[in-house]
Order: sequence, then C-alpha cells, then structure tokens
Amino acid sequence: AQKITQTQPGMFVQEKEAVTLDCTYDTSDPSYGLFWYKQPSSGEMIFLIYQGSYDQQNATEGRYSLNFQKARKSANLVISASQLGDSAMYFCAMREGLEYSGGGADGLTFGKGTHLIIQP
Amino acid sequence: EAGVAQSPRYKIIEKRQSVAFWCNPISGHATLYWYQQILGQGPKLLIQFQNNGVVDDSQLPKDRFSAERLKGVDSTLKIQPAKLEDSAVYLCASSLRKLAGTDTQYFGPGTRLTVL
Repeated sequence: AQKITQTQPGMFVQEKEAVTLDCTYDTSDPSYGLFWYKQPSSGEMIFLIYQGSYDQQNATEGRYSLNFQKARKSANLVISASQLGDSAMYFCAMREGLEYSGGGADGLTFGKGTHLIIQP
Repeated sequence: EAGVAQSPRYKIIEKRQSVAFWCNPISGHATLYWYQQILGQGPKLLIQFQNNGVVDDSQLPKDRFSAERLKGVDSTLKIQPAKLEDSAVYLCASSLRKLAGTDTQYFGPGTRLTVL
C-alpha cells in the first residue's frame, strides 16, 4: 500500500488565488512527521513546512499552511495568494518514528507529487 | 551558510559503464542521505549515513550500487555497471540529526544521469 498518496497529478490555478494540495498518508506508528517540499524545474528540493504527529496546532510558514487532520490521515498544503513563482512540483513526505535513540533510520517516504501551474 | 553541494550536475553514459556522484553536505550535518528520483516519481531513499556509518541501505541495489562516506563528511555514490533503468536524478540530502524535533532534510541540486 502507498504510504503517501497525492491524488492531484496536476493543477492549474489563477494567480492570487489560494491553492490546496492534497496529501493522505498511511502509518501505524503513533510518532511521525509530515513534510512538504517544492521542486522547481531547476531540480532541487526546497523544504516548505513540517507537521509533527503530536503537534496540536496546524503548522504555518508565511504563505504556507498545513491543514492537518489526524483522524483522516491527511496533511494538505495550503498556499495563500498564489504567485507565478509558485509554479513547480510539490511533494508530500513522511518520516516515521520521531524518537531517536542512537540514530535509527529516518529516511523520508515521498508521494508522487503534484505539478502546480500558476496562470497570470 | 552554504547548502548541499553535488557534482556533476549532468552525466550521460552508455549502459554497462560506471559512474560516480559526489556530495558535500551542509557543514556540521551528521546525517547524509542519497535518494533516487525517476522521472514522474517522488524521490526514493537509497542509503542513509550517520557520520561515516551506514544506518539504512535496505533499498540500495547492492549488486551494482555502492556508497561511502569517508571521514564522515563528503560522500560518493557509484553505479557499476549502469543499466538503462538507472536513468534518474540522484539527490543528496543532509540533516543535523537532533535528538527530537523536525530534523529537516536539506537537499542538493541533484545529478541528472542519463544511461543510453
């Protein structure tokens, strides 16, 4: 089963509108973290926002916010007032097991991404 | 603060040839990761180092892929011999490896490999 599911392969949005990118996840670990990354055409992955499974409030970073619904296992990214420079691939990722003891494996599991295009 | 550095940025080789990629993590970052990103997919973890020791290489095709991190800083990922399906972007990432918290992974620009 997919651990991270992003159901929107592509989205077209008008500039200045708000955008919601969907992400659902699957884990039985009570302790996990959810990340969103942006990947422009240049290829590098840019960290946007993080939500921990025990966080009581939704994470926010500037124009980015994360709509975290733990019972539904969803972690949607909301971009307010979209800009042309927001056009890129967006990836949702999960790390299971936040408690470190001696350095365990903590690689990220990524979804397939959503290609967001902002139109003027 | 300098980011994660990778070289080369692009590489084209024939199948059955060998190739090596280099990564220099952010200064002070103890953990280093190599990911493979095939076109149209999200990155997939190949190997994780903590200092110069391997933490996780469960998804590394060990018959052809190898990686090392001598002295706990720079790392090299090698493919020998390459197959057509190895065409991908190889991303290196690093993190501080705190005891708790977000422990964000920061990525380099990647190396785009084309195997002909």
